[in-house]
Amino acid sequence: GIQVEQSPPDLILQEGANSTLRCNFSDSVNNLQWFHQNPWGQLINLFYIPSGTKQNGRLSATTVATERYSLLYISSSQTTDSGVYFCAVGPWGGGFKTIFGAGTRLFVKA
Amino acid sequence: GAGVSQSPRYKVAKRGQDVALRCDPISGHVSLFWYQQALGQGPEFLTYFQNEAQLDKSGLPSDRFFAERPEGSVSTLKIQRTQQEDSAVYLCASSLALTNEKLFFGSGTQLSVL
Repeated sequence: GIQVEQSPPDLILQEGANSTLRCNFSDSVNNLQWFHQNPWGQLINLFYIPSGTKQNGRLSATTVATERYSLLYISSSQTTDSGVYFCAVGPWGGGFKTIFGAGTRLFVKA
Repeated sequence: GAGVSQSPRYKVAKRGQDVALRCDPISGHVSLFWYQQALGQGPEFLTYFQNEAQLDKSGLPSDRFFAERPEGSVSTLKIQRTQQEDSAVYLCASSLALTNEKLFFGSGTQLSVL
């Protein structure tokens, strides 16, 4: 099946710093989503981005489907950005499954 | 409702007990998914409903796991004869469309089997 790899696995930032999280996937996908799981376990949908670039405040994401990767940019990080960021893909021909990566664990220090 | 609601938030079961976990999706959402998340890992797909039809149950780990959505709204995930390896967070997600696009997740049920 499709493999979803996220990097880095762990990231510690000083408040105000910028960061880039990467998601590589091994096969063609028909959708890609980025999620933030906060310290209380709630998964929040950040972006639905099968291709192209989207921005939402301090967050933006880019997916290059032909090269099988997506990037999530966090600018001017805040302590509330801490948590785990997941990339999740829907493989072509994979029915309705969404396959999650292992996540990037982010801690933002005050 | 405003979001996906799951209950109970926490469940402790003795090994061998049966448990039932409830999911109330966003009103009007056609698609409903169940995921299992082990500690420190990403969610793993269990099963998918489109309205009341269970279209994919390939992720259910054993025949002890059973899910239903009889009226196309509320769903229940039932685990029979629970085992310690069933301990995990069980997440429910819903989507407006007939696909797995733009998933909205509930807060999950944390199941601990002693």
